[in-house]
Amino acid sequence: SYELTQPSSVSVSPGQTAKITCSGNILARKYVRWFQQKPGQAPVVVIYKDSERPSGIPERFSGSSSGTTVTLTISGAQVEDEGDYYCYSAPDNNLVFGGGTKLTVL
Amino acid sequence: QVQLQESGPGLVKPSGTLSLTCAVSGGSISSSNWWSWVRQPPGKGLEWIGQIYHSGSTNYNPSLKSRVTISVDESKNQFSLKLSSVTAADTAIYYCARVAVADSITDYWGQGTLVTVSS
Repeated sequence: SYELTQPSSVSVSPGQTAKITCSGNILARKYVRWFQQKPGQAPVVVIYKDSERPSGIPERFSGSSSGTTVTLTISGAQVEDEGDYYCYSAPDNNLVFGGGTKLTVL
Repeated sequence: QVQLQESGPGLVKPSGTLSLTCAVSGGSISSSNWWSWVRQPPGKGLEWIGQIYHSGSTNYNPSLKSRVTISVDESKNQFSLKLSSVTAADTAIYYCARVAVADSITDYWGQGTLVTVSS
């Protein structure tokens, strides 16, 4: 089975750049999606295909890939960006998730 | 904008069957996407349950396969989850999602619904 590894928490001050990594062997051949999760709200995909941003997602969200690690970058993080971020991939007609990263902007 | 909304009982008795429906709006369930169920036990990570294509083709998590059935109703633009022989370990927030087959489009998720297994 495949595994995706994320840091459990990242903390930045408002206006700083936050970086969240997602690592796993499967990422060498499969794309990653990232979603933002806030309590009581539907998860929102902020990046798909490693670095594509859906319409309506602020430009401060970006993604990059290098080998078996994908990075979600939030440039100039805002307080409203606080939440849990999960990476996931669809390797073999299934879904594999990272453990999630709690982003604190304080 | 595609929207998904889960519905179903919030409380299920042990050994009973959990049944949820996901209504899709803003898009057709007959489109080329996987329609998926994912759950998250309180304070824990995400677990993929399974998915269905509009043709009826399904894939299930091997650890749940013996208890899971996912079906689709194209006429109502919705899909459903049934999980049998539930225990307290099945207590979780259940999410439905549209997972794109094509890499060129994004996914959409429902808000999630909490299902508690308790007598």
